Amino acid sequence: DTGVSQDPRHKITKRGQNVTFRCDPISEHNRLYWYRQTLGQGPEFLTYFQNEAQLEKSRLLSDRFSAERPKGSFSTLEIQRTEQGDSAMYLCASSLAGPTTGELFFGEGSRLTVL
Amino acid sequence: QKEVEQNSGPLSVPEGAIASLNCTYSDRGSQSFFWYRQYSGKSPELIMFIYSNGDKEDGRFTAQLNKASQYVSLLIRDSQPSDSATYLCAGPMDTGRRALTFGSGTRLQVQP
Repeated sequence: DTGVSQDPRHKITKRGQNVTFRCDPISEHNRLYWYRQTLGQGPEFLTYFQNEAQLEKSRLLSDRFSAERPKGSFSTLEIQRTEQGDSAMYLCASSLAGPTTGELFFGEGSRLTVL
Repeated sequence: QKEVEQNSGPLSVPEGAIASLNCTYSDRGSQSFFWYRQYSGKSPELIMFIYSNGDKEDGRFTAQLNKASQYVSLLIRDSQPSDSATYLCAGPMDTGRRALTFGSGTRLQVQP
């Protein structure tokens, strides 16, 4: 098992463009999370899936952000009409359902720079 | 969304000393807390979790939870330069929800 993988690792785009990130969780993990992190801050929750169902979404998330997890395997996070404030590291994490629900395994992240 | 607060540091300790990292939280109903370590340029990794009042020890690490004071701490004994990282405290966003809310992290520097 290679852990959580994310693609691309780096993305530079111009303001107004759309971007999509992909996350492949650890194969037996049924929970998948997206977080965003900026310099000097902790990860900020964006959304969470259990299998293919999107169960939680941050109230701070604008409608320019959408996430999917078809078939409960990989997930995609799309940002439409990017803004400079979207520049951040986008982290994906996965976990098993169970009592230790806080044991998240993070990928290496996708760094987005919006010019 | 419940809050988790940490001092951003940096906290500087000499090699071999005890490093004490602290975290306070706003939700009195929170039952579990997690400490993640994040090296510069890397992703967070879980190092400790604690579900009940009191202390939990794992090697050089001890997590402490005081629910009455809404306070969580992480002690690192015999600190090593390799412990230099940012330590993130995390707790449940709301009772019954699965996602975690993270503090802003405390940067620890262990001086050789």
